[in-house]
Amino acid sequence: DTEVTQTPKHLVMGMTNKKSLKCEQHMGHRAMYWYKQKAKKPPELMFVYSYEKLSINESVPSRFSPECPNSSLLNLHLHALQPEDSALYLCASSQGDRTYEQYFGPGTRLTVT
Amino acid sequence: GQQVMQIPQYQHVQEGEDFTTYCNSSTTLSNIQWYKQRPGGHPVFLIQLVKSGEVKKQKRLTFQFGEAKKNSSLHITATQTTDVGTYFCAGRSGGYQKVTFGTGTKLQVIP
Repeated sequence: DTEVTQTPKHLVMGMTNKKSLKCEQHMGHRAMYWYKQKAKKPPELMFVYSYEKLSINESVPSRFSPECPNSSLLNLHLHALQPEDSALYLCASSQGDRTYEQYFGPGTRLTVT
Repeated sequence: GQQVMQIPQYQHVQEGEDFTTYCNSSTTLSNIQWYKQRPGGHPVFLIQLVKSGEVKKQKRLTFQFGEAKKNSSLHITATQTTDVGTYFCAGRSGGYQKVTFGTGTKLQVIP
């Protein structure tokens, strides 16, 4: 199984809402990532979890809160987002955190109204 | 911070023509990866290069890593409509965990 799953596929939320994005992999990978991708732009790294510990936070605003409950799951909690946060949010995983290819999920298309 | 630029930004080719995208990093890379993203899809890993001057081939795709490990290229021979998508290089510096994606090259193949 080389699949990374993400739910939901689409999400529309207001600026006062609280929502969560979920990501799951069953490949035994020990590194998991959150990326943000705006239209016609490359993925931008937000967070890296290595062995279930947050190892990189790319100066992401606190309205985005990551969580790694176990080695297979990654969540991104959203609160008080802005319209400019609308984007495709991609989750990825890799076997290790330094030299291995990343497997991406299909992403969650987020619209903030 | 590290910057990774790709040229061209867009490329339209007739089916059967060749295509090349170039990737240039502002810093020396420990390795470089290439990904393909189809329209409406997510990035899919193609290959990783680690050694200076390394060349790898996958059928019609040829990947090169520069001698100075600051640039890379992807060449597609005899493009097909299935090659349509955006090609990203992604570089990693030193032992750092972070992979920086290049700006991408969007390939359109005209049948």
